Amino acid sequence: GAVVSQHPSRVICKSGTSVKIECRSLDFQATTMFWYRQFPKQSLMLMATSNEGSKATYEQGVEKDKFLINHASLTLSTLTVTSAHPEDSSFYICSARLLGRGTQETQYFGPGTRLLVL
Amino acid sequence: GQNIDQPTEMTATEGAIVQINCTYQTSGFNGLFWYQQHAGEAPTFLSYNVLDGLEEKGRFSSFLSRSKGYSYLLLKELQMKDSASYLCAVRDRGFSGNTPLVFGKGTRLSVIA
Repeated sequence: GAVVSQHPSRVICKSGTSVKIECRSLDFQATTMFWYRQFPKQSLMLMATSNEGSKATYEQGVEKDKFLINHASLTLSTLTVTSAHPEDSSFYICSARLLGRGTQETQYFGPGTRLLVL
Repeated sequence: GQNIDQPTEMTATEGAIVQINCTYQTSGFNGLFWYQQHAGEAPTFLSYNVLDGLEEKGRFSSFLSRSKGYSYLLLKELQMKDSASYLCAVRDRGFSGNTPLVFGKGTRLSVIA
């Protein structure tokens, strides 16, 4: 299957600092990537849809000025958590969309980034 | 609105068969996915159904009934490594190029000896 990487896998930071998470599709080009957040024992919650070369589309309740998304190339999207607070501590997962035949679509997930804000 | 329901937890015996059900109510429908997620890891793709019927892939099969808003994931010859959460996800909008998935809360499967 297709491979998606995320970096870093784990980060601990102080409250008020910014953290950048990278999501890369390693063996395919992804015009669309998705950013999810998952709290313990909860389901994946979509944060935003990242489109190469254009502005990201944010889900309701997600602050676009706090969670900055840049999709500068067909293989890289970045999520920057600005002025992080302890409540931002979570598991952040990206996925990249791979088109198949017809309308078949598969999303491949990165390994996730565990963020802990102290 | 969007609503995807699946059982919270299930337990099954090694070597047995288990069926994980998923019902959905979404404003639209354009495909249903099943993912496996081990604790602390990202989900991995298992199956995709867009037409009614059964899709078989090795020990895993997935069934879809669009008229009933219902799907199930069938796991055969269970192994201990199958202990994980299984997520049902629906693409509820038309294929426009930017269609995210809506996820259920997942079913935590425990396989016991």
